[in-house]
This record gives sequence, structure tokens and C-alpha cells, in this order.
Amino acid sequence: DAGITQSPRHKVTETGTPVTLRCHQTENHRYMYWYRQDPGHGLRLIHYSYGVKDTDKGEVSDGYSVSRSKTEDFLLTLESATSSQTSVYFCAISERGSRTITDTQYFGPGTRLTVL
Amino acid sequence: AQKVTQAQTEISVVEKEDVTLDCVYETRDTTYYLFWYKQPPSGELVFLIRRNSFDEQNEISGRYSWNFQKSTSSFNFTITASQVVDSAVYFCALSDDSGYSTLTFGKGTMLLVSP
Repeated sequence: DAGITQSPRHKVTETGTPVTLRCHQTENHRYMYWYRQDPGHGLRLIHYSYGVKDTDKGEVSDGYSVSRSKTEDFLLTLESATSSQTSVYFCAISERGSRTITDTQYFGPGTRLTVL
Repeated sequence: AQKVTQAQTEISVVEKEDVTLDCVYETRDTTYYLFWYKQPPSGELVFLIRRNSFDEQNEISGRYSWNFQKSTSSFNFTITASQVVDSAVYFCALSDDSGYSTLTFGKGTMLLVSP
């Protein structure tokens, strides 16, 4: 199994509060991703990173920011959480970072976030 | 824009039945990659298979088989002799050749296998 951990695994917070989710990998992979999973929507890409300090937006990036100061950590921040951000958040890593090859993504265990 | 359609929201079968999960995709890329993931009730996402657009050979892995047809933009997944442990949500996903490996997922098909 890919060495990916997410913390916290569960969180309940109130509307308007900041929340940071952490993804940590021990594989030294260059590419990391954040997705959210909602009923009826499958998984949707929020942000991704292709190296330290290199990030880009995905399909549903509004209301989220990310940071990657170290290869092993990718942080997802909700600056002011809203009820619409109640979801299950998955982090993923990709085996290799090449501009000519798409590689398989492996997922962390997920974080269940509830915004009241 | 890429799109993945899994028209079957939920499928119920009895153990030992064969079941096929459908996946239809849309892309303008000539090179792309298709994936299937399994999400059991415990919630984790498990990688099952990856297929490149230039490799249309069908693949079999134990009770699992995959039928990739570019002519119909489909990448269907068949479980032979289903078992209760196959009960899960199955996601089909599509990646382009940009090098960033971002995935576009279908909405998933929930498979319920009863004893």
C-alpha cells in the first residue's frame, strides 16, 4: 500500500471557521492531489501539486487554498468553512511526475468533514 | 472537456451471478488513460486497473475482466461469479496526457451482492 496518511480523519466544525487538512506521504512522489467526494458527484478535483510550491486549481477550487512547502506534505485549507464544504476529502499521490506519462493515483484513507 | 458517464447508479445481484458495470467516456485527446477504482463500505479507494488508449486488448484478472472499445468510447468492467465481498461502489476515471495525471471521475456505480 502507498504510504499516504490524512489528518484529521474526522472533523466537525462550525460555519466561518478556518480548517486545514493535511496529507502526508512517505513515497517521495512528486504529484499530489486533493479531491472531494459527494453523493451523486463522484470525486472532483480541488487542487493539485506537481512539486514543492507548485500548485494549480482543479474543477472545484473556489473556497479552498493549498500549500506544499515539503515534498511529503500537501495541505488543504478552507479559509472560512461553509456548509457546502461538508464532504469527504481524499488526498492522492502519483507514482511518477513526468510530462509524457500519466501514472496511477493512489489514495489516502479520506477525511470526513462536517460543517455545521 | 473530459467526461465520464456511469449510467448505472445501483446494481443488485445475487451471489454467483455475473455483472457488468458500464463506463462511457468523452475526450478530445488522442492519448488518454482509463482507470477503475473500488470503494468498499469501509471507504477507502482501491486501484483496480489502468488502461492506455492505444492498448485495446481486453484484460482478465481472476474474476475481473475489462472490455475497452475505442469505437464506442467504452471501458466496461465485468465481475464473473460475483461474491458478497464485491459489494462496493465502483468508479471509472479518465486522465489525459498532460502529464499532471489529474482524473475525471464518473459518479460511480454501487454494486450490492446478496448471498
